[in-house]
Amino acid sequence: EAGVAQSPRYKIIEKRQSVAFWCNPISGHATLYWYQQILGQGPKLLIQFQNNGVVDDSQLPKDRFSAERLKGVDSTLKIQPAKLEDSAVYLCASSLDLPPLNYGYTFGSGTRLTVV
Amino acid sequence: GNSVTQMEGPVTLSEEAFLTINCTYTATGYPSLFWYVQYPGEGLQLLLKATKADDKGSNKGFEATYRKETTSFHLEKGSVQVSDSAVYFCALGDSNYQLIWGAGTKLIIKP
Repeated sequence: EAGVAQSPRYKIIEKRQSVAFWCNPISGHATLYWYQQILGQGPKLLIQFQNNGVVDDSQLPKDRFSAERLKGVDSTLKIQPAKLEDSAVYLCASSLDLPPLNYGYTFGSGTRLTVV
Repeated sequence: GNSVTQMEGPVTLSEEAFLTINCTYTATGYPSLFWYVQYPGEGLQLLLKATKADDKGSNKGFEATYRKETTSFHLEKGSVQVSDSAVYFCALGDSNYQLIWGAGTKLIIKP
């Protein structure tokens, strides 16, 4: 089966600019996650969707980050305006169930964001 | 709260050496425990898991045993290969079915 697709792979922007990332989960996976992975740290969950509804966005900095999953399939994560500390890899993951049976997450390759 | 602590890297070994990457956790209840691997330029992949005390997870020659008495889930492999070079993450599943991650341990295997 095709994996979780993310784009772009790399993005460099200046602080205060805006940026958007795209994720297409595995077909049929109802649950979609966005994680932020800062260099040298483990991933941090930003937001979790079940179909097109938000399950958990408690760690999403809502003053600058937004995410949507229209039609319950692909998703976009936006940062506006970006700060230097947003430099990280943004990972998308999907799973068939909520809660995921045996935590069967599948991760995409991520988007590496550098804010200068 | 729940947390995971991993040994700091990088860990550098020669090919065919024995590998141990330490992982300890703090949690209420009996969480599931996981090891994920991230190869260069790729996404995270589930390597192995254990869902209850004394369970042993294994995959691709890697093993880890869920030790409730020492709150540990150390990753081991008897003979590493260059292709095992990657970053390894220990994680636990909390009561909300979300993953709590360690900081990761970079493993470098030299031929």
